[in-house]
Amino acid sequence: EVQLVQSGAEVKKPGESLKISCKTSGYSFSTYWIGWVRQMPGKGLEWMGIIYPGDSDTRYSPSFEGQVIMSADKSINTAYLQWSSLKTSDTAMYYCARLGLATIWSSWFDPWGQGTLVIVSS
Amino acid sequence: DIVMTQSPDSLTVSLGERATINCTSSQSLLYSYNNKNYLAWYQQTPGQPPRLLIFWASTRESGVPDRFSGSGSGTHFTLTISSLQAEDVAVYYCQQYSSAPFTFGPGTKVDI
Repeated sequence: EVQLVQSGAEVKKPGESLKISCKTSGYSFSTYWIGWVRQMPGKGLEWMGIIYPGDSDTRYSPSFEGQVIMSADKSINTAYLQWSSLKTSDTAMYYCARLGLATIWSSWFDPWGQGTLVIVSS
Repeated sequence: DIVMTQSPDSLTVSLGERATINCTSSQSLLYSYNNKNYLAWYQQTPGQPPRLLIFWASTRESGVPDRFSGSGSGTHFTLTISSLQAEDVAVYYCQQYSSAPFTFGPGTKVDI
């Protein structure tokens, strides 16, 4: 069974750094793109970008380029999303999700992680 | 970026009745080389992550009840719930995966 298990909720102050994780199992981690999706409180889904763990190729949405960094560690089948300086506007639920087709980045998301709630407040 | 729109924003349907959600893209999602529409539908129930329902505009994901169906091509797509059940109360999103960034529609809330 393919599973994506995300790290727990975080409460941070503006200006702090943060790295959240998405641990995967049940499939070949290196051969499927993994993406991140933001959902701000009470709002819809926003596609942030995707990473191919095989070679760490990344594709960012222009809205998130330069704001976050996606990475992956093949040795522990885990993807990461990190911020160097959080803003209050980063408060949201963040989902990781695997793309549906091996090696193909033009694909739907399935399955999804359970989400990581990030709260940024002074 | 491809802009995705959905209508209506919300709808209320009686149990057992049909629910229809529309999704429109600002560019065609149909690729002639494989004759596939690069569109997916997701369901998000309260407090849960999204769940894939449909991909390639009309292919139902394994385990999804057959009351859910997707149709359409090019720039106009429809998700139909043929007989609404209580567990279908959710927000439904369409997403294009034709051109990055793979944008989502704003969502349609379905209530009973």
